Amino acid sequence: SYELTQPLSVSVALGQTARMTCGGNNIERKNVHWYQQRPGQAPVLVIYRDTNRPSGIPERFSGSNSGNTATLTISRAQAGDEADYYCQVWDSSAVVFGGGTKLTVL
Amino acid sequence: QVHLLQSGAEVKKPGASVKVSCKASGYTFTTYYIHWVRQAPGQGLEWVGVINPSDGTTDYAQKFQGRVTMTRDTSTSTVYTDLSSLRSEDTAVYYCGRSAGAYSYLDYWGQGTLVTVSS
Repeated sequence: SYELTQPLSVSVALGQTARMTCGGNNIERKNVHWYQQRPGQAPVLVIYRDTNRPSGIPERFSGSNSGNTATLTISRAQAGDEADYYCQVWDSSAVVFGGGTKLTVL
Repeated sequence: QVHLLQSGAEVKKPGASVKVSCKASGYTFTTYYIHWVRQAPGQGLEWVGVINPSDGTTDYAQKFQGRVTMTRDTSTSTVYTDLSSLRSEDTAVYYCGRSAGAYSYLDYWGQGTLVTVSS
């Protein structure tokens, strides 16, 4: 089965740029979606189909996908961005989630 | 506005079954798929399966085949997921989520339903 690999944690200084990766075999051939989950809340879609932002998501959130790695980038990080972030793809008619990355804003 | 309202928390004994509901509003119920995703305490997201409310067809994660049944009631715009033979490892928050296509992203999520399996 297809596996997605995310680092357990990423730290970023307030106002700086955070980059979270999602690794998978030839992931560039797949559409990658990203979700933000704050403690005690349901996930929220922040990026879909690699690079697209849903309405209401700040322009500070962006995505890319190349080779074996997809990346979620958050520029000018704010305290409110502190959350768990999950990448997701479809493979063999099943939804696959990465293990999630905890973003800490210092 | 789109809203997915889930049923309340459940406590079940091992071996029992649980049925969780997800009532949709704010859009045409039959034009979006509904997925179920669960999250064990302190763990990541795990996909359980999906139902097409238009015709009731389902697709389940291999791990849950034979133990999960998803159904829908178009008259009330509600989707149900029934999980049987519960064990302690099934303790989790169960979320429903909506997607526009069969192989698409989940753009709206329910608030989650905590299912606790304990003797």
